[in-house]
Amino acid sequence: DAGVTQSPTHLIKTRGQQVTLRCSPKSGHDTVSWYQQALGQGPQFIFQYYEEEERQRGNFPDRFSGHQFPNYSSELNVNALLLGDSALYLCASSLGQGTNTEAFFGQGTRLTVV
Amino acid sequence: DQQVKQNSPSLSVQEGRISILNCDYTNSMFDYFLWYKKYPAEGPTFLISISSIKDKNEDGRFTVFLNKSAKHLSLHIVPSQPGDSAVYFCAAPATDKLIFGTGTRLQVFP
Repeated sequence: DAGVTQSPTHLIKTRGQQVTLRCSPKSGHDTVSWYQQALGQGPQFIFQYYEEEERQRGNFPDRFSGHQFPNYSSELNVNALLLGDSALYLCASSLGQGTNTEAFFGQGTRLTVV
Repeated sequence: DQQVKQNSPSLSVQEGRISILNCDYTNSMFDYFLWYKKYPAEGPTFLISISSIKDKNEDGRFTVFLNKSAKHLSLHIVPSQPGDSAVYFCAAPATDKLIFGTGTRLQVFP
């Protein structure tokens, strides 16, 4: 049973560029949440997708957007990259909307903005 | 506003001894807490949880204690093993998200 998979694992982008990160949830899960983990910090909630809609959003600017596909996979898009966007981006999947008490995390995508 | 706090960024413990990782929270509405463990280049993995109706939950070498009046929880690992070396996060569910602390890096040395 494949767990949560994210791609790519590492990425280097230049300031001002745009990036797309991808996530496939654990088999049987229909909810995907995205988190940003900056160096020395805990993961910070970006947003959650359920039934192809954004359910809740954390304190992140509109440069951060997402999408969920009918097969429950998800993308995170970040426009106009800033140096401060350099972080580990984590995808978590769970079943059903609501609290993430049974969230499973992927290995993350390490984004470096130069 | 940091609702979940882990004030010790790192902890070093000898193999076989007890590791105690602490976590404080400010929101009295939190009624469930989780501990996650994270190795380098991997995502966080769920370790153990506790509901606010309990003050202790045990799973093998791992025990979590909850003191609601002090808004404090702790994770005890006994005995500590080198494979326990990782970053540990406490987290609280809030609506559709998890609120994480900043993590404590545990190093278990022989």
